Amino acid sequence: EAGVAQSPRYKIIEKRQSVAFWCNPISGHATLYWYQQILGQGPKLLIQFQNNGVVDDSQLPKDRFSAERLKGVDSTLKIQPAKLEDSAVYLCASSTITGGGYTFGSGTRLTVV
Amino acid sequence: QQQVKQSPQSLIVQKGGISIINCAYENTAFDYFPWYQQFPGKGPALLIAIRPDVSEKKEGRFTISFNKSAKQFSLHIMDSQPGDSATYFCAASNFGNEKLTFGTGTRLTIIP
Repeated sequence: EAGVAQSPRYKIIEKRQSVAFWCNPISGHATLYWYQQILGQGPKLLIQFQNNGVVDDSQLPKDRFSAERLKGVDSTLKIQPAKLEDSAVYLCASSTITGGGYTFGSGTRLTVV
Repeated sequence: QQQVKQSPQSLIVQKGGISIINCAYENTAFDYFPWYQQFPGKGPALLIAIRPDVSEKKEGRFTISFNKSAKQFSLHIMDSQPGDSATYFCAASNFGNEKLTFGTGTRLTIIP
């Protein structure tokens, strides 16, 4: 089965610019997650979708981050405007069963300069 | 309440030795404890997972030991190989919630 696809792999932007990341989950996976992984730390959940509805966005900085999952399949995560501390790897994951069993994509490495 | 504490931060083990990584959690509602393996430039990949109804789970060279009363769990890698060199993350979730809370990671290096 195809894995979780993410693009781009790398992105370098200046602070205050905007950026968008794209994720295509595994076919049939109803749940989609966006995690932020800062260098040297474990991934931190930003937002969780169940189909196209938001389940948990409690740790999403809503003043600058937004995410959507149209038609319950692909998802985009946007940052506007970016700050230096947003430099991280943004991981997308999907799952089909409750309680774990995530499959992660390879992530997008964002550098804000 | 939601933290998962992981140690050590880094670990060097000789080939053929046993690698041991420890985690502790606070939230007693957690009931699913996976370990993820991450290679540079890749996303984390599920290695092995355990639920609190058993104290140990073994899959090949990888074993999770779970101590519910102490709220601790650990990963043991037997006969460690250079290909095991990676960063390992423990995690925990509430089965009904799915959201994973990750530890801070352990960078494991296996030397010849």
